[in-house]
Amino acid sequence: GENVEQHPSTLSVQEGDSAVIKCTYSDSASNYFPWYKQELGKRPQLIIDIRSNVGEKKDQRIAVTLNKTAKHFSLHITETQPEDSAVYFCAASSGPIKAAGNKLTFGGGTRVLVKP
Amino acid sequence: DAGITQSPRHKVTETGTPVTLRCHQTENHRYMYWYRQDPGHGLRLIHYSYGVKDTDKGEVSDGYSVSRSKTEDFLLTLESATSSQTSVYFCAISEPQGADTQYFGPGTRLTVL
Repeated sequence: GENVEQHPSTLSVQEGDSAVIKCTYSDSASNYFPWYKQELGKRPQLIIDIRSNVGEKKDQRIAVTLNKTAKHFSLHITETQPEDSAVYFCAASSGPIKAAGNKLTFGGGTRVLVKP
Repeated sequence: DAGITQSPRHKVTETGTPVTLRCHQTENHRYMYWYRQDPGHGLRLIHYSYGVKDTDKGEVSDGYSVSRSKTEDFLLTLESATSSQTSVYFCAISEPQGADTQYFGPGTRLTVL
């Protein structure tokens, strides 16, 4: 099955700096790669996603890049703010369920701390 | 947040007792999932459902069973709880054809003593 590795496990940045989180996946058939943000005690919430037919996607201060050849994808957060402090999870789809939907395999998470 | 609720939100139980967690959605989404979240492991899929009475196993299904008798409800049962099943359990839903995004419920914190 699919295996997703995420690095680093913790990341401390100064407010205003950039943060980068990297994930690698094992199944070359994976075609959907979401990123979730989870604040303490809350549910994971989707912040951005990318599909395998796109190399990069941006949404304001966050961007995701995908390298299908190397089987890795990254989350970039620019101009970090204290409210960006959270745990971030990457995931990769491990195939469709009955021709629709996706089984997601998650990375282990990155705890990001933005210091004021 | 999508219309997903989980009950109970917190539960403490003893080893060997049966436990049932409920996920309820008001979105009429076809797909529902149960995950567990443990430190360092991210979220791991336990079971999922692709329709009423249609369910299948995820990567960590041992010790768990599920049922879906109505579109809106997906139940997760621990037949005989063990301490290794202490975790935070999240339910998720996704739209039917054409959409992969999964929306998560608020979670249930389960402690097995």
